[in-house]
Amino acid sequence: NAGVTQTPKFQVLKTGQSMTLQCAQDMNHEYMSWYRQDPGMGLRLIHYSVGAGITDQGEVPNGYNVSRSTTEDFPLRLLSAAPSQTSVYFCASSYAPAYEQYFGPGTRLTVT
Amino acid sequence: GESVGLHLPTLSVQEGDNSIINCAYSNSASDYFIWYKQESGKGPQFIIDIRSNMDKRQGQRVTVLLNKTVKHLSLQIAATQPGDSAVYFCAENIPLRGQGAQKLVFGQGTRLTINP
Repeated sequence: NAGVTQTPKFQVLKTGQSMTLQCAQDMNHEYMSWYRQDPGMGLRLIHYSVGAGITDQGEVPNGYNVSRSTTEDFPLRLLSAAPSQTSVYFCASSYAPAYEQYFGPGTRLTVT
Repeated sequence: GESVGLHLPTLSVQEGDNSIINCAYSNSASDYFIWYKQESGKGPQFIIDIRSNMDKRQGQRVTVLLNKTVKHLSLQIAATQPGDSAVYFCAENIPLRGQGAQKLVFGQGTRLTINP
């Protein structure tokens, strides 16, 4: 079991560029989510999905899109990168809501 | 608004002593609480959880206490070891009505440092 995997580990973007952060899990979890973590702060929910084909917004969704075409994958798209999106991004999955969430290793994104 | 906060941003303890990390939450609808440990450069790692119908739960060297009356959560680590050095986050799970999903709200974190 690889658990939750994320790629890339590091990324530098220029303002206005777009990119996709990849997330995959091999635990057959229905629930997946994306968080961002800024220095000295806890994690904030960007988007989440309760199953394939179903996504919804979290606390800080602006500037990000998600889709969930399979149970395993939950990519996060930055439409037009801004310096305010410089952060560490974590993907997580769990069996169901209100169960232990397993986190990936994170993607460190810098937008210049 | 919803918030999960911690009373102390840093905590230093002697190796072998017990550590207590505190957390306050504000949403009375929260039904599930989790403590995570995060080491530098890594994702959060689950330590222990507790549901709102319980007031205490024990794991290996860790205990979580939940006081719903004052909306307070604590993590106790027994016989603290150097490997316990990390940032500890509490998180509260808030049910989202009509959507069948959850919102996990994290606290700011407490950095635990172990002195030899």
